Amino acid sequence: NAGVTQTPKFRVLKTGQSMTLLCAQDMNHEYMYWYRQDPGMGLRLIHYSVGEGTTAKGEVPDGYNVSRLKKQNFLLGLESAAPSQTSVYFCASSEWRGRPSTDTQYFGPGTRLTVL
Amino acid sequence: QQQVKQSPQSLIVQKGGISIINCAYENTAFDYFPWYQQFPGKGPALLIAIRPDVSEKKEGRFTISFNKSAKQFSLHIMDSQPGDSATYFCAASRNYGQNFVFGPGTRLSVLP
Repeated sequence: NAGVTQTPKFRVLKTGQSMTLLCAQDMNHEYMYWYRQDPGMGLRLIHYSVGEGTTAKGEVPDGYNVSRLKKQNFLLGLESAAPSQTSVYFCASSEWRGRPSTDTQYFGPGTRLTVL
Repeated sequence: QQQVKQSPQSLIVQKGGISIINCAYENTAFDYFPWYQQFPGKGPALLIAIRPDVSEKKEGRFTISFNKSAKQFSLHIMDSQPGDSATYFCAASRNYGQNFVFGPGTRLSVLP
């Protein structure tokens, strides 16, 4: 199993450009998440999904959109990139059944995005 | 607004020593408290987690202590090793993991 994969690993954008980050998981997990990680801020939840076709806003959703058309994929879009969106983006997935043995988020390796 | 506070920001411990990282939360609706370990250039990985119905959970050298009345929980790393050098994040969630909130992280350095 590849676990959680993210594409691309690195990207540089100019202000105003758009792009889509792709997250894929092969663990048949229901829940998927997008976070951004900034120095001294920890991880902040952007959007999440509790199943195919569903999405919900997290702590910092402004400037981002997401889609979950397939259970295994979760896309994060930036319609008009801004320098404030320079960050490392992590995708995660989990199978949540309320049991400690399965209450685990599995993270991808991250995408480092720089907006000039 | 930080819903989960974490301290210290950085920690230096000698090999064999005990590392202690503390977290505090405000929202009493949180019902799941995991700790994550992150090495440079990698995504976070779950280390250990606890629910509020127990006061302590131990897995190997890692122990979570939970104080529900004080709304605090802490991570203890016994016999700290250089390989434990990483950034540690506490987190909290409610509604069965639908909305996770992370602390700002603690950078741990274990000196050989």
